[in-house]
Amino acid sequence: DAGITQSPRHKVTETGTPVTLRCHQTENHRYMYWYRQDPGHGLRLIHYSYGVKDTDKGEVSDGYSVSRSKTEDFLLTLESATSSQTSVYFCAISSSGQGAAGELFFGEGSRLTVL
Amino acid sequence: SQKIEQNSEALNIQEGKTATLTCNYTNYSPAYLQWYRQDPGRGPVFLLLIRENEKEKRKERLKVTFDTTLKQSLFHITASQPADSATYLCALDMDGANNLFFGTGTRLTVIP
Repeated sequence: DAGITQSPRHKVTETGTPVTLRCHQTENHRYMYWYRQDPGHGLRLIHYSYGVKDTDKGEVSDGYSVSRSKTEDFLLTLESATSSQTSVYFCAISSSGQGAAGELFFGEGSRLTVL
Repeated sequence: SQKIEQNSEALNIQEGKTATLTCNYTNYSPAYLQWYRQDPGRGPVFLLLIRENEKEKRKERLKVTFDTTLKQSLFHITASQPADSATYLCALDMDGANNLFFGTGTRLTVIP
């Protein structure tokens, strides 16, 4: 299994509070991604990173920010959580990107509930 | 806008039969398409990748076809087993940057 660890795995928080999810990899892969998965919508890309300090927006980036200060860590922050951000969040890594076909390796997910 | 549709939300099949799952897409011509398996409470796991110039790809009991004219991929599991029960997701690079867009998945149940 690819070395990807997400933390926390489960979190319950209240509307308006900040939340940070962490993704840690031991594979030294260049590309890292944050997806959310909701019933009826499938997996949707939030943000991705193609290197240290290099990030870009995905399909559903509003309300989220990311940071990547080291190759191994990719943080997803909800500055002020809303109930619509209740979801399961998946981190993924890839050795390929930017037009090069490559498989994604996913973490186990972080289930976030915003009350 | 881009759209990816997987034929049905759920598919039940008898053990030993061939399961066929469908992935249709619109408004884009992806260079490749991927299939993933997801078990409850787990992250998706990569199964197969097929490129636009490949008509068919096989891996053990799995077979994927890719018809760029029909904008469709078929995913087959032959000699299905109860252990094949899972949700199967298709994914396409819809913006040329290996940012995968996923279908909502088909939940396959193989009945012993």
